[in-house]
Amino acid sequence: GQQVMQIPQYQHVQEGEDFTTYCNSSTTLSNIQWYKQRPGGHPVFLIQLVKSGEVKKQKRLTFQFGEAKKNSSLHITATQTTDVGTYFCAGGKSGNTPLVFGKGTRLSVIA
Amino acid sequence: NAGVTQTPKFQVLKTGQSMTLQCAQDMNHEYMSWYRQDPGMGLRLIHYSVGAGITDQGEVPNGYNVSRSTTEDFPLRLLSAAPSQTSVYFCACGRASGVPGELFFGEGSRLTVL
Repeated sequence: GQQVMQIPQYQHVQEGEDFTTYCNSSTTLSNIQWYKQRPGGHPVFLIQLVKSGEVKKQKRLTFQFGEAKKNSSLHITATQTTDVGTYFCAGGKSGNTPLVFGKGTRLSVIA
Repeated sequence: NAGVTQTPKFQVLKTGQSMTLQCAQDMNHEYMSWYRQDPGMGLRLIHYSVGAGITDQGEVPNGYNVSRSTTEDFPLRLLSAAPSQTSVYFCACGRASGVPGELFFGEGSRLTVL
């Protein structure tokens, strides 16, 4: 079945450093979504990418979807303590097929 | 507008007991799903539904039953709880047409089975 691998599993950074998490799918995706889960909270949708090679930005966050639509990345510039949490990617296929989530990257930011 | 409401937020069961985790949404979304979250394992899909009267199994369905009699409600039943079902459970809903869209998650139900 479809698998979505996400690395790294954990990342500890000093405040102000950059952070990147990577997501790779075993199959071609129709879209990729990213979610953020704060400690003790629930996953919250950040963004969806649907086009090959697409790049989207949200303030300090940059999201990319690979040309082959099998990989994606989330890059945070100059991390802040408010960025702490676990970031999940989720791969989608067309139709009513459920999203497949990666295992997430837990980000810790040291002030 | 409450979004996705899960009850209870916390529950402790003994092995062999049964219980139902409730999930209700007021967003009129066709798609509803249940995930469990365990340390290091991410979000694993238990069951999902693309509309009233339709349910299907996800990645880890064993030990869980679901039904979808209305658009709004999607309860998850544990018929005979086991310690391996200790987890945090999330219900999520979304639109079910075409490319899978954004999922809206409930706040979670933390279950401990002794």
